[in-house]
Amino acid sequence: DVKVTQSSRYLVKRTGEKVFLECVQDMDHENMFWYRQDPGLGLRLIYFSYDVKMKEKGDIPEGYSVSREKKERFSLILESASTNQTSMYLCASESRGLGETQYFGPGTRLLVL
Amino acid sequence: GQSLEQPSEVTAVEGAIVQINCTYQTSGFYGLSWYQQHDGGAPTFLSYNALDGLEETGRFSSFLSRSDSYGYLLLQELQMKDSASYFCAVASGTALIFGKGTTLSVSS
Repeated sequence: DVKVTQSSRYLVKRTGEKVFLECVQDMDHENMFWYRQDPGLGLRLIYFSYDVKMKEKGDIPEGYSVSREKKERFSLILESASTNQTSMYLCASESRGLGETQYFGPGTRLLVL
Repeated sequence: GQSLEQPSEVTAVEGAIVQINCTYQTSGFYGLSWYQQHDGGAPTFLSYNALDGLEETGRFSSFLSRSDSYGYLLLQELQMKDSASYFCAVASGTALIFGKGTTLSVSS
């Protein structure tokens, strides 16, 4: 059974803190993605990765960085959390291809105070 | 720019048929996907159309017209559990581009 897990379902952090969100997939997928989801805005792509140690900016990379040291793990880092980064963060993975099917993790709801 | 347009809300009653439209304008196009997301849950894949025409999977069907940059998701024999948000997404060659989602409310 396909599985994407995220390190936390809910997270509360203070402004200025460094935040790590981790995502692990067990499907040996090459591609992994980080999105944020806000009401009325849909899913917006932050960063994605097509291979280990490789990353590409998505539509809204400002304030974020990522790390992919192992194929199964893709981490999203908020260098200095701000209140406008309060959101739902979704990780996804897919087998190398043209974007037919992405498998999503359960999401991390982050609140920055 | 790149954009996908879909209605923000649709309401229907149990047993009815609903069509959710999606029009897109993207720089690249390989196919149109549909995802379902229940409140508080993760998006789950429903269907993918790379070629023109209708794809049927049980109560759900998806249609694509590449020449019209248009597709739709058709949900038949609606059930209460179909109440959810539905997103269309274009595979543009680099990553998926998602629409803002359509909230479907099914009432009895």
